[in-house]
Amino acid sequence: DAGVIQSPRHEVTEMGQEVTLRCKPISGHDYLFWYRQTMMRGLELLIYFNNNVPIDDSGMPEDRFSAKMPNASFSTLKIQPSEPRDSAVYFCASSLFVWGADTQYFGPGTRLTVL
Amino acid sequence: SQQGEEDPQALSIQEGENATMNCSYKTSINNLQWYRQNSGRGLVHLILIRSNEREKHSGRLRVTLDTSKKSSSLLITASRAADTASYFCATRSNTGNQFYFGTGTSLTVIP
Repeated sequence: DAGVIQSPRHEVTEMGQEVTLRCKPISGHDYLFWYRQTMMRGLELLIYFNNNVPIDDSGMPEDRFSAKMPNASFSTLKIQPSEPRDSAVYFCASSLFVWGADTQYFGPGTRLTVL
Repeated sequence: SQQGEEDPQALSIQEGENATMNCSYKTSINNLQWYRQNSGRGLVHLILIRSNEREKHSGRLRVTLDTSKKSSSLLITASRAADTASYFCATRSNTGNQFYFGTGTSLTVIP
């Protein structure tokens, strides 16, 4: 398996623009996670899905952020409109649920810069 | 952090020495995991310890868990320059639906 795939790897945009980040989880994994990492706030869980259904989105910072998982092999994280404080590395991770043994596999991340 | 706090925040040691990192958490957990992150990369899973386990080994890694103190430690023995990275603990609540990552320890191993 190719692992978790994220695109784009780097995104530079201007304030106010819409940004869409994409993730393809490992085939067969039933959990998908979106994280944001910054120097100031560390690694934050934004939202996670189980079998394509959002379970906990309490980490989504505000209404400008939205995430979807239309099928088991694809998820998007959208920011509209983007702001400079959204600049961060966004990671997608997936896991196969085995109670007590649920390793998360991370993608390489998308480095987002909002000017 | 909502759940995990690592200490120290940064650690610098000579190659061959042992490195110990600690993690404290707040709520009851199902399991605790340690991950490593090399600069500019995604996190990579190292080891998982279940709430009913006290110690676990994997190669040069030794993890302990004290649920009464809500703490865990990661020991890397005979460190190598390639171990230079940030190390994070991660917990899953015993209700199963909450995941948290700690703030991380930045380890530098000097050749």
